[in-house]
Amino acid sequence: RKEVEQDPGPFNVPEGATVAFNCTYSNSASQSFFWYRQDCRKEPKLLMSVYSSGNEDGRFTAQLNRASQYISLLIRDSKLSDSATYLCVVNVPNSGGSNYKLTFGKGTLLTVNP
Amino acid sequence: NAGVTQTPKFRILKIGQSMTLQCTQDMNHNYMYWYRQDPGMGLKLIYYSVGAGITDKGEVPNGYNVSRSTTEDFPLRLELAAPSQTSVYFCASSRDRYTGELFFGEGSRLTVL
Repeated sequence: RKEVEQDPGPFNVPEGATVAFNCTYSNSASQSFFWYRQDCRKEPKLLMSVYSSGNEDGRFTAQLNRASQYISLLIRDSKLSDSATYLCVVNVPNSGGSNYKLTFGKGTLLTVNP
Repeated sequence: NAGVTQTPKFRILKIGQSMTLQCTQDMNHNYMYWYRQDPGMGLKLIYYSVGAGITDKGEVPNGYNVSRSTTEDFPLRLELAAPSQTSVYFCASSRDRYTGELFFGEGSRLTVL
């Protein structure tokens, strides 16, 4: 099982739609989780952290399910400007648990159509 | 308010040539990273540094070298370029290793022919 695995996509949705992305991780000792956004031919940028209790930022909601080892990102009322690749990022511990590395999923491409 | 600056933005190399990708940050971050991103793939960590004078290998270090003589600069050296090193390279920095907020440079697109 890959360390971090995302919905392969791509997702094509109309403006105003609600869309959800899922991401699973293999190491149950992972401590922190994030969603990044990457526009075409640009660098990734942090969209939001994912907290155990779930968290919301405007139209974006992130959820964490530790028991099933997945995180999700929900986008409500999609805008054209939401078109981008969404990267799931997990802080994965090494075998000794003494160090962590941020591990990126391959990303899910979202296109919001007018 | 520069953040992380990478140069060059684009470069074409011939097989066997060498080059250095430059990266500098002005946020006084101790942690710096080099990633490569191939089409349809996630970012792969090449090397990272936890402070001046300290570097360590990531997932895909072969064919690359780094140095960290100052807090600000973290150059990536490609020795004997190969077609497999054709990729987009991103330098990033962070305040620490756990908050998850990486600040990326704009990327360097390298083609090896």
